[in-house]
Amino acid sequence: GAVVSQHPSRVICKSGTSVKIECRSLDFQATTMFWYRQFPKKSLMLMATSNEGSKATYEQGVEKDKFLINHASLTLSTLTVTSAHPEDSSFYICSAARLAGVSNEQFFGPGTRLTVL
Amino acid sequence: QQQVKQSPQSLIVQKGGISIINCAYENTAFDYFPWYQQFPGKGPALLIAIRPDVSEKKEGRFTISFNKSAKQFSLHIMDSQPGDSATYFCAARGRNSGNTPLVFGKGTRLSVIA
Repeated sequence: GAVVSQHPSRVICKSGTSVKIECRSLDFQATTMFWYRQFPKKSLMLMATSNEGSKATYEQGVEKDKFLINHASLTLSTLTVTSAHPEDSSFYICSAARLAGVSNEQFFGPGTRLTVL
Repeated sequence: QQQVKQSPQSLIVQKGGISIINCAYENTAFDYFPWYQQFPGKGPALLIAIRPDVSEKKEGRFTISFNKSAKQFSLHIMDSQPGDSATYFCAARGRNSGNTPLVFGKGTRLSVIA
């Protein structure tokens, strides 16, 4: 159990276009999902916290108009990178919080590699 | 301000040896301490986690040791294997906060050589 999927796994786009990344919790409901960005050989950098049915909470320095997050259901959150530029190229990872008694574990998706040409 | 400090940055261990990765935290409100394993190009996978009411937790070859007074916790990998070669992240989170994001260490790149 506790599987989180992401789609697509890899995407290449031209500068100026928008890209949508989906994050799904496959076998549990997640009221909260998190979006991270990871640069090569670096740790995970939290971008935003996504709560089902409400606006996302963005970390300082993350442009909310550029990184649009929608958490439409208890199993789906989407991240849209608008007007993408080469500096947005990165590995984007989502995680979903599973509430199970006192566990409150977070499970990560496999990540999406975005390359902006 | 880095709330979770992880060391070493990289580690090379002989096959069959013990790998030890250490983390220290500052926020006394943290009460959940997971370790994640990440292979290149993959998302982090939850390996083992501990809460401060116990000093040690063991799952197979993986053990977390927790020292509440020192605000430190460590991951021990017994009988390390080449397949354990990955990046390991420690993390921490506040009390009763399943919806609060984890604070991550900077990671340790482990290489297990035959």
